[in-house]
Amino acid sequence: AQTVTQSQPEMSVQEAETVTLSCTYDTSESDYYLFWYKQPPSRQMILVIRQEAYKQQNATENRFSVNFQKAAKSFSLKISDSQLGDAAMYFCAYRSLREYGNKLVFGAGTILRVKS
Amino acid sequence: DAGITQSPRYKITETGRQVTLMCHQTWSHSYMFWYRQDLGHGLRLIYYSAAADITDKGEVPDGYVVSRSKTENFPLTLESATRSQTSVYFCASSESHSTQFFGPGTRLTVL
Repeated sequence: AQTVTQSQPEMSVQEAETVTLSCTYDTSESDYYLFWYKQPPSRQMILVIRQEAYKQQNATENRFSVNFQKAAKSFSLKISDSQLGDAAMYFCAYRSLREYGNKLVFGAGTILRVKS
Repeated sequence: DAGITQSPRYKITETGRQVTLMCHQTWSHSYMFWYRQDLGHGLRLIYYSAAADITDKGEVPDGYVVSRSKTENFPLTLESATRSQTSVYFCASSESHSTQFFGPGTRLTVL
């Protein structure tokens, strides 16, 4: 079974600075998707970014970008120019393309605090 | 409104009682999911459904029952609630191999 590990329970960043959240995963598969979800205090789960494993190019969405290292099974999220609204819990998630069910496997999450 | 909704948003119940959490989506997505969120565990899959009348167990199915008689609804029932089922429950939906969209969550407290 696949596992996802987020080794940083909590991170802090100064407003306008850059922060990187770590995620590693364990799988024997070669085709899969990886995701970062944001959960603000409202509890709503919001998709931040998605990466297809077959793509070598790192995904980018505005101030959010990933560093996808397939051989190392690493998938970190970089937030540039941090804003107060970025404060949230961030979850890394894995989805197999082989397994039936379209299921997500989540990491335990990282709480990001943004200081003004 | 279009999207995915859950009801109730908050629920307090007592040990041994039956509780049903509702999930409704308006996209006609094939797949629907139930997750529970607990500190230190992230979200864990309870049950999922690939289509109406097709359901399968996830990682933590014990103590839960699901049904899916209509594509748009996927209720989750706790047949005899226990304190360990105190959690935040999320419903999600998706098409095959596409992004999952989540409902707003239900905070359940079992006393």
